[in-house]
Amino acid sequence: DAKTTQPNSMESNEEEPVHLPCNHSTISGTDYIHWYRQLPSQGPEYVIHGLTSNVNNRMASLAIAEDRKSSTLILHRATLRDAAVYYCILGSGSARQLTFGSGTQLTVLP
Amino acid sequence: EPEVTQTPSHQVTQMGQEVILRCVPISNHLYFYWYRQILGQKVEFLVSFYNNEISEKSEIFDDQFSVERPDGSNFTLKIRSTKLEDSAMYFCASRITGVEAFFGQGTRLTVV
Repeated sequence: DAKTTQPNSMESNEEEPVHLPCNHSTISGTDYIHWYRQLPSQGPEYVIHGLTSNVNNRMASLAIAEDRKSSTLILHRATLRDAAVYYCILGSGSARQLTFGSGTQLTVLP
Repeated sequence: EPEVTQTPSHQVTQMGQEVILRCVPISNHLYFYWYRQILGQKVEFLVSFYNNEISEKSEIFDDQFSVERPDGSNFTLKIRSTKLEDSAMYFCASRITGVEAFFGQGTRLTVV
């Protein structure tokens, strides 16, 4: 699987937007970009995914660079409940396994 | 909202004992997975299961591990002879056919 690079940790203030970056310079043409998060003491939770175009859902937005070598997960207004480890994962669109990296630990400050 | 259910939430077992971790995936899902996370480490893939057989497995999933979908609703992970290093959170996940995987809350396995 192609590798992703994320910052180890980030901080944000509550109710402010958060931009979580991910680099994936070796992404292949068929790789989807998946984002999951893991709240403390819980299982991973799907956030969003995309292939080429920017995507929005009720949880977040995903901005994908034109060359697809990087992407950014955007939380529009961080809440304390958004404090979690966020994982950027590459994979095919089919139902294959997910390869988790170390992710970004997001701390949300009140 | 449908969810993946795992039982028990915490299991303590003695080294060398057999343990079975249970999962009830979302009812119309077709693909099933087990992952584990040793404390403070990454989430690691163990095995995927589709159409009543293993479709992929990792190096971790050796002969001590087995999976079963005995009755069309439960999905189990068996560890035949537990070792201290099997202590971890074990997560079950399922998906229908698309990209989004749904994870359970996990079972914390402690081997003493």
